[in-house]
Amino acid sequence: DAGVTQSPTHLIKTRGQQVTLRCSPKSGHDTVSWYQQALGQGPQFIFQYYEEEERQRGNFPDRFSGHQFPNYSSELNVNALLLGDSALYLCASSLAGGVGEQFFGPGTRLTVL
Amino acid sequence: SQQGEEDPQALSIQEGENATMNCSYKTSINNLQWYRQNSGRGLVHLILIRSNEREKHSGRLRVTLDTSKKSSSLLITASRAADTASYFCAGGNSGNTPLVFGKGTRLSVIA
Repeated sequence: DAGVTQSPTHLIKTRGQQVTLRCSPKSGHDTVSWYQQALGQGPQFIFQYYEEEERQRGNFPDRFSGHQFPNYSSELNVNALLLGDSALYLCASSLAGGVGEQFFGPGTRLTVL
Repeated sequence: SQQGEEDPQALSIQEGENATMNCSYKTSINNLQWYRQNSGRGLVHLILIRSNEREKHSGRLRVTLDTSKKSSSLLITASRAADTASYFCAGGNSGNTPLVFGKGTRLSVIA
């Protein structure tokens, strides 16, 4: 049973560019949440997708957008990258009818130069 | 959201000793979850304790929950060098409540 997978593992971009990160949830899960973790900090909630719609959103600008596909996988897009967007981006999957237990992927390390 | 705040911020112990980390949260929750994160990697789900449980064990892990004090503790017994990591707590509810994390406790186990 595959866990949560993310790609790519590492990414280097320059300011102003756009980036797309990908996530495949744990088998049987239907909800994907994205978190940003800056160095030395805890993860911060970006947004959550369920039934191919954004259901909840944290305090992030609309440069951050996403998508969920019919197979429950998800993408995170960030436009007009800033130096401050450099972070570890974590994807978590869960079951909408479950107890709220979330399982995380290994993350994508984004560096903006 | 249910914020988790971990204490202490950092903890250094010798291999074989026990490590205790504490967590406080602000609002009502249905469960509390503990996670481990090795340097620069993803979070590993360790244990979930429900609000109607007071204590739960999993291997060398023991978690307690005191809903009246809105606090939880994670005890790692007979620590190993491989337990060196950051540990986070987060309160959860049924469905898909976003998890809110504190800065975590950085545990160093010295061989």
